[in-house]
Amino acid sequence: NAGVMQNPRHLVRRRGQEARLRCSPMKGHSHVYWYRQLPEEGLKFMVYLQKENIIDESGMPKERFSAEFPKEGPSILRIQQVVRGDSAAYFCASQGQEATGELFFGEGSRLTVL
Amino acid sequence: TQLLEQSPQFLSIQEGENLTVYCNSSSVFSSLQWYRQEPGEGPVLLVTVVTGGEVKKLKRLTFQFGDARKDSSLHITAAQPGDTGLYLCAGARRGSNYKLTFGKGTLLTVNP
Repeated sequence: NAGVMQNPRHLVRRRGQEARLRCSPMKGHSHVYWYRQLPEEGLKFMVYLQKENIIDESGMPKERFSAEFPKEGPSILRIQQVVRGDSAAYFCASQGQEATGELFFGEGSRLTVL
Repeated sequence: TQLLEQSPQFLSIQEGENLTVYCNSSSVFSSLQWYRQEPGEGPVLLVTVVTGGEVKKLKRLTFQFGDARKDSSLHITAAQPGDTGLYLCAGARRGSNYKLTFGKGTLLTVNP
């Protein structure tokens, strides 16, 4: 399967814990995007990363949320001190070298905060 | 804030019927995309329309981009149960085609 891989698919956390979501882009893709889909809401852009660089984080909450895409390994979206309002599906998408083509979405990570 | 309004929110029809769903905005987009999302899965791109007035066909699906590039429609002919899913439209602005503005979607159910 050469698609965008996300894990875990489902994550349950208690309020105050940390959540780490991982995304491996499609082979050969160097652009990674994170979107959040809240219940009853459309997908909302969070952050755009390239290897070792955050290009656009205008959609990311200022506190508790961070993202990285290291030189080696998957991109990670980290949510510290989770609250119930963080419960959502988090989707990662990747794009090829030119950053002008189709975005390929992963299957998502569904975070539930108890 | 740019908004994309999709209608209807829910649509339940019988196999073989035709249907149209709409995506409207007060803002102009450089391109508009339609995705289909199944439960527990990520969105899958169906089509991208770029030019005002453009019409694209994908088997039984016909996509149209409004002349002013503010709205779009998706028409499905002779719907089948396999068409069931959440249809999302997403608009992109020039220079930031990755920062898509998504509508909330139309949840289509095609009953056999």
